[in-house]
Amino acid sequence: NAGVMQNPRHLVRRRGQEARLRCSPMKGHSHVYWYRQLPEEGLKFMVYLQKENIIDESGMPKERFSAEFPKEGPSILRIQQVVRGDSAAYFCASSPGEGNQPQHFGDGTRLSIL
Amino acid sequence: DAKTTQPPSMDCAEGRAANLPCNHSTISGNEYVYWYRQIHSQGPQYIIHGLKNNETNEMASLIITEDRKSSTLILPHATLRDTAVYYCIVRVAGNNRLAFGKGNQVVVIP
Repeated sequence: NAGVMQNPRHLVRRRGQEARLRCSPMKGHSHVYWYRQLPEEGLKFMVYLQKENIIDESGMPKERFSAEFPKEGPSILRIQQVVRGDSAAYFCASSPGEGNQPQHFGDGTRLSIL
Repeated sequence: DAKTTQPPSMDCAEGRAANLPCNHSTISGNEYVYWYRQIHSQGPQYIIHGLKNNETNEMASLIITEDRKSSTLILPHATLRDTAVYYCIVRVAGNNRLAFGKGNQVVVIP
């Protein structure tokens, strides 16, 4: 029973390039969440999506960041014109629905900006 | 969501029970207590959660005080692989963000 799959595990970009991070939720899960962990800090919530809908993006930076969860395929977190401060670990989690059901996390994408 | 307080770090002896405390004195009646852990370079791993009754699964036990202002995660027989940062989080059901604090760095010592 596959868990949450994230790819790539490591991504290196130069300043000004675009970064695309992908997340496939656990089988049967229709809710996806993205978190960011800066070095030596805890995870911070970014965005919560259901299929084709953004439910809560209150943790997303106002510019350059976007997320989607299309009807078919993985969820994508997109960062345009990356800067050094975007270097972090980005984690995706999924859950089967709302309520008290726990979120299950992938092993993240480590983004490094040169 | 209510704030939680955990010790920044603790050591546990291998093979012994590890008792990890968490204070959440401002918890509301509809907030659940969740425990996650993060082993270096991996994603957070869900351990257990509960509302007011004690809970047990294959990984751990969760003891919640009657007034719900604190809880204890119990790892019954700590192993070296249990070394991790443990996070205690309280969350309202239906509020889908998890608020991770600094956690408790637990080191299991041989």
